[in-house]
Amino acid sequence: KAGVTQTPRYLIKTRGQQVTLSCSPISGHRSVSWYQQTPGQGLQFLFEYFSETQRNKGNFPGRFSGRQFSNSRSEMNVSTLELGDSALYLCASSLGDGNQPQHFGDGTRLSIL
Amino acid sequence: GENVEQHPSTLSVQEGDSAVIKCTYSDSASNYFPWYKQELGKRPQLIIDIRSNVGEKKDQRIAVTLNKTAKHFSLHITETQPEDSAVYFCAASMFSGGYNKLIFGAGTRLAVHP
Repeated sequence: KAGVTQTPRYLIKTRGQQVTLSCSPISGHRSVSWYQQTPGQGLQFLFEYFSETQRNKGNFPGRFSGRQFSNSRSEMNVSTLELGDSALYLCASSLGDGNQPQHFGDGTRLSIL
Repeated sequence: GENVEQHPSTLSVQEGDSAVIKCTYSDSASNYFPWYKQELGKRPQLIIDIRSNVGEKKDQRIAVTLNKTAKHFSLHITETQPEDSAVYFCAASMFSGGYNKLIFGAGTRLAVHP
């Protein structure tokens, strides 16, 4: 069974630009959660999608948004990029919500210049 | 509030010794507690999890204990090996908006010295 796939693996942007990251979950998993990982901050929850609906959201500004397609693939978008958005963005898929084991992708490392 | 505190932030042990990492959560309704291991440059990997109806769970050299009254849970690694060196994250499920989400601790960097 293929694991969680994230694209691209690396991305370099400049301040003010926008970016879209993609996540393909494990086959059969309908829940996709997104996390931001920065040194010393652990994994900060961004949002969770299930069957194309956002079910939960973390404490991030509205510049961070996401969506999920009918095949459970998910994208997250960050607009008006700031230097502080530099981080590793991880997605995780599971069969259900936060009460189920989540399986992570390799992440997209976003660098803002 | 939504908070999982994890201690220590760094841990250094000699090969063969035991390592213990502790986490405290704030939501008494939390009922799922996974632990992840993240090696340098790799994805977090689920290594063990426990639910609130169980007090302890073991898998070979690793074990997790849960104290619901005190709202804390711990990861125990026995007979540590150099390949155990990694960052370990605890997490707790928290009910919000009708569904559960995972809240992670800040991580513990474990170094096992030969």
